[in-house]
Amino acid sequence: QKEVEQNSGPLSVPEGAIASLNCTYSDRVSQSFFWYRQYSGKSPELIMSIYSNGDKEDGRFTAQLNKASQYVSLLIRDSQPSDSATYLCAVEPGANNLFFGTGTRLTVIP
Amino acid sequence: DAGVIQSPRHEVTEMGQEVTLRCKPISGHNSLFWYRQTMMRGLELLIYFNNNVPIDDSGMPEDRFSAKMPNASFSTLKIQPSEPRDSAVYFCASNLREGHDTDTQYFGPGTRLTVL
Repeated sequence: QKEVEQNSGPLSVPEGAIASLNCTYSDRVSQSFFWYRQYSGKSPELIMSIYSNGDKEDGRFTAQLNKASQYVSLLIRDSQPSDSATYLCAVEPGANNLFFGTGTRLTVIP
Repeated sequence: DAGVIQSPRHEVTEMGQEVTLRCKPISGHNSLFWYRQTMMRGLELLIYFNNNVPIDDSGMPEDRFSAKMPNASFSTLKIQPSEPRDSAVYFCASNLREGHDTDTQYFGPGTRLTVL
């Protein structure tokens, strides 16, 4: 059983603050990790991918991976109301299929 | 590019009826995925195809569900007979799989299925 765990939230942060989203996974052989954003009533869209331990930055988004701890996180700096969405963590164990967490709902308060 | 196309966008049916969901992947992609999303279970992979061949159908809930991919540009997910617990949003996604490289999966808009 490949499990991906996320805090369901809701997570509320004020506009301009840093939002921190966390994810743990159970399958040690997992090699690829993804963060998807899903607005209400819409389909998931990829915002970050990370494959190596450490940090990966893209604009206001930073993904962090620690394979030893089986932990991946997403930081959103200078949070905007438009960042309000559900963030899905996904893990790919090496066969081109993704296992998703149930998502963390983020609300950025103006 | 038009992206992944799914139809219908909404389907309301009665218990026991057959339901067919359709998907057209992005041109040039060789892998196609069917997911189901519910509040309780989140986003679950049902089945995925590579080069039109089913690779992993371990997520298909039971024999009432079947999926086909007769060619590179079309796939169907069929539920027969449908039950109220099948109510969910069904997403189709596609990507280009080359060797061991994992490409981004692009999702379609989804089909919201309601079984009464």
